[in-house]
Amino acid sequence: EAQVTQNPRYLITVTGKKLTVTCSQNMNHEYMSWYRQDPGLGLRQIYYSMNVEVTDKGDVPEGYKVSRKEKRNFPLILESPSPNQTSLYFCASRPTPTAYNSPLHFGNGTRLTVT
Amino acid sequence: QQQVKQSPQSLIVQKGGISIINCAYENTAFDYFPWYQQFPGKGPALLIAIRPDVSEKKEGRFTISFNKSAKQFSLHIMDSQPGDSATYFCAASNNAGNNRKLIWGLGTSLAVNP
Repeated sequence: EAQVTQNPRYLITVTGKKLTVTCSQNMNHEYMSWYRQDPGLGLRQIYYSMNVEVTDKGDVPEGYKVSRKEKRNFPLILESPSPNQTSLYFCASRPTPTAYNSPLHFGNGTRLTVT
Repeated sequence: QQQVKQSPQSLIVQKGGISIINCAYENTAFDYFPWYQQFPGKGPALLIAIRPDVSEKKEGRFTISFNKSAKQFSLHIMDSQPGDSATYFCAASNNAGNNRKLIWGLGTSLAVNP
């Protein structure tokens, strides 16, 4: 089944404790991206990657890191989480970075709580 | 600065009624306008999309109406069903350099009462 898989689904942590949220897609997509979803703020892009070893900042990159060493994986790293990073996080991928009719495929989300 | 404005924020419709969600955009360079549907506990999924060279696109009970001169587009859900209860996001995109970036509306939470 074609899918984007995120882990974990739920994560509760404390301020300052480094964490990684994994994302993997099995569709051979070039483009991958991370979003956070907050009430009243919609979907905001954190980072994106147009291909292996190519990453760039989205609209809200502060406090986050990413890497793209393999085409299928795009982990999100929070080196020192803070309470304002409590949110619902989504990984997404699409076949190409530029084709207009290249739809985003989302994972089922990771709900992160930082206390 | 929000480039895609979506309204209403929430909507309650009776079963069988018509749900209408509106979006307005500012950037005339946008050339693709998708709608995504998100159920609780799931990620958004593409529902229907339109390009600005057509004024309407219909897929089953879902229709996008597009008004290029007014820079507005809307989603109409005919014969709304409880299973349509979800959050709906409009978006707009164009190629900015070598990347097609989606600009999202803030979402509309739709509840269809049985």
